[in-house]
Amino acid sequence: GNSVTQMEGPVTLSEEAFLTINCTYTATGYPSLFWYVQYPGEGLQLLLKATKADDKGSNKGFEATYRKETTSFHLEKGSVQVSDSAVYFCALFVPENYGQNFVFGPGTRLSVLP
Amino acid sequence: KAGVTQTPRYLIKTRGQQVTLSCSPISGHRSVSWYQQTPGQGLQFLFEYFSETQRNKGNFPGRFSGRQFSNSRSEMNVSTLELGDSALYLCASSFASQETQYFGPGTRLLVL
Repeated sequence: GNSVTQMEGPVTLSEEAFLTINCTYTATGYPSLFWYVQYPGEGLQLLLKATKADDKGSNKGFEATYRKETTSFHLEKGSVQVSDSAVYFCALFVPENYGQNFVFGPGTRLSVLP
Repeated sequence: KAGVTQTPRYLIKTRGQQVTLSCSPISGHRSVSWYQQTPGQGLQFLFEYFSETQRNKGNFPGRFSGRQFSNSRSEMNVSTLELGDSALYLCASSFASQETQYFGPGTRLLVL
């Protein structure tokens, strides 16, 4: 079946530190890969996505590259801010014959200290 | 374009009661999915509706049901509430041919 594994954290960093949140996946077929972010008290927001191997998704200083050979989609940011404190979810989508098949990882809580 | 809206935002019920949650997708989106989010289980897929038909279903008991109307708005119903049903219920919509899901703010349900 399809699954997503990501470091659960919590991850605590100082402002301006480098961030990496690891994500690996198992999927049948050719998935699209996503990172979503959830701020306290809110729903999930799409952060970035990549739809095929070697694609790089980027948004708000965050980047992730679709690595088919290592089945990974690690999230990185060069310099985090306090406002980046949130829970980050890695997810994959594999279209079925009918309906969708979205699978989320457990989420990684990031806390950035001033 | 307005985002996904969910009502109510907060709800308190007692065991044995039933509850109905509502979701209005982004205009033009025909697919609506529902998720349950809890600290222990994370995000779990409940079901997905497209053009008023349930297309996919997660591993939840029959107490959880849903429907979709002709305007793509969707409702989720939970009957005979249990304490363990306390959770954040998230709705997400997508355009049929695109897989990116856009989430609403969620309905936080507390069962006492």
